[in-house]
Amino acid sequence: EPEVTQTPSHQVTQMGQEVILRCVPISNHLYFYWYRQILGQKVEFLVSFYNNEISEKSEIFDDQFSVERPDGSNFTLKIRSTKLEDSAMYFCASSKDRETSGANVLTFGAGSRLTVL
Amino acid sequence: SQQGEEDPQALSIQEGENATMNCSYKTSINNLQWYRQNSGRGLVHLILIRSNEREKHSGRLRVTLDTSKKSSSLLITASRAADTASYFCATSQEDTGTASKLTFGTGTRLQVTL
Repeated sequence: EPEVTQTPSHQVTQMGQEVILRCVPISNHLYFYWYRQILGQKVEFLVSFYNNEISEKSEIFDDQFSVERPDGSNFTLKIRSTKLEDSAMYFCASSKDRETSGANVLTFGAGSRLTVL
Repeated sequence: SQQGEEDPQALSIQEGENATMNCSYKTSINNLQWYRQNSGRGLVHLILIRSNEREKHSGRLRVTLDTSKKSSSLLITASRAADTASYFCATSQEDTGTASKLTFGTGTRLQVTL
């Protein structure tokens, strides 16, 4: 069964460093997302991406964050200058065409755990 | 309260019993979905119910939606130890853009014991 793959599974970084989290969405999917989950808290939307541009972003997704689809397969999340509060599990997700109802069913990756020291 | 709140926060039952989790939300929605998350893993889609539907079944899962009360319930019948996980409802609002984001609830941690 096709799956969304994320690397690295765990990254430890020093505060102020740049981090790039990588994702390979399912090949025939058109919509891509990043979510994050701080330990013990709810899953929060960061950004959605469609047709090579950001479709929507949350208040969390400020100027330190950026996303890119550098080639036909990878989808990356860059955090320019990490802060302690960026420590979280970051999930990539993708979905195919919207159903006739307008629904998007997301397939999530296993996540990348980011620890900022 | 926030969009998408589940109750109870935690539920412990014995194998074979039914588990019911509830979700409430605040704004109008296009659809509501339930996802499962095993500890430290990604979320897995379980079932989707559209705003014009009242009930939906999938295997041992039964989902109801009451848009007048802005609430949904997930029933897992004849639970198994393997059902132990966190369960999240997620709402999608009506046409917020080309890619509809999901707003997740706080989750219910289900523990099924032998």
